[in-house]
Amino acid sequence: DQQVKQNSPSLSVQEGRISILNCDYTNSMFDYFLWYKKYPAEGPTFLISISSIKDKNEDGRFTVFLNKSAKHLSLHIVPSQPGDSAVYFCAALEQGAQKLVFGQGTRLTINP
Amino acid sequence: NAGVTQTPKFRILKIGQSMTLQCTQDMNHNYMYWYRQDPGMGLKLIYYSVGAGITDKGEVPNGYNVSRSTTEDFPLRLELAAPSQTSVYFCASSYGAGGPHMETQYFGPGTRLLVL
Repeated sequence: DQQVKQNSPSLSVQEGRISILNCDYTNSMFDYFLWYKKYPAEGPTFLISISSIKDKNEDGRFTVFLNKSAKHLSLHIVPSQPGDSAVYFCAALEQGAQKLVFGQGTRLTINP
Repeated sequence: NAGVTQTPKFRILKIGQSMTLQCTQDMNHNYMYWYRQDPGMGLKLIYYSVGAGITDKGEVPNGYNVSRSTTEDFPLRLELAAPSQTSVYFCASSYGAGGPHMETQYFGPGTRLLVL
């Protein structure tokens, strides 16, 4: 039972354009969501997060949107840069729990 | 401040051998976690700990054991290695519960394990 799903295994975007990565979840008890970025042979690094009391959080080129009614969140990267090429994982935390639930990841490739 | 460190970086084991994956964090985090990542898959939680002396099972604990004798260290033990345990293992830590940012987990660089 995949509670957090990233349905696009890969995404290719031209440098300078917007990258949109999507994530869906099924557990309505999730109240905190995170995006992690992972380069090959490295551990995931925290990118941005959002609490369920918000619908948008912005940090520089990165914006996360949360649509609770649709149980959907997305990560927007504008403008996309070659260094953004990586695998992106979304993760969710249930209120009162200590365990993150991860999606399968989306491999983002930024083309020059 | 090294963050989360893991050793070894890579290891080849024969079926039935045992080994310990080491994890240390220097951020004084209460919570620590072990994940495995199989190709094309997300991270699956093996074990976690909310403090020294306290551990609990995650989603895929079979074949593994952990201990947490200090705040800094959280070793993962494989007793009888099997090919199904071929994976990349990540250790992570966080401050813990208490609101946004407290739960954010910080990851080590990973240990790549091959069981033949």
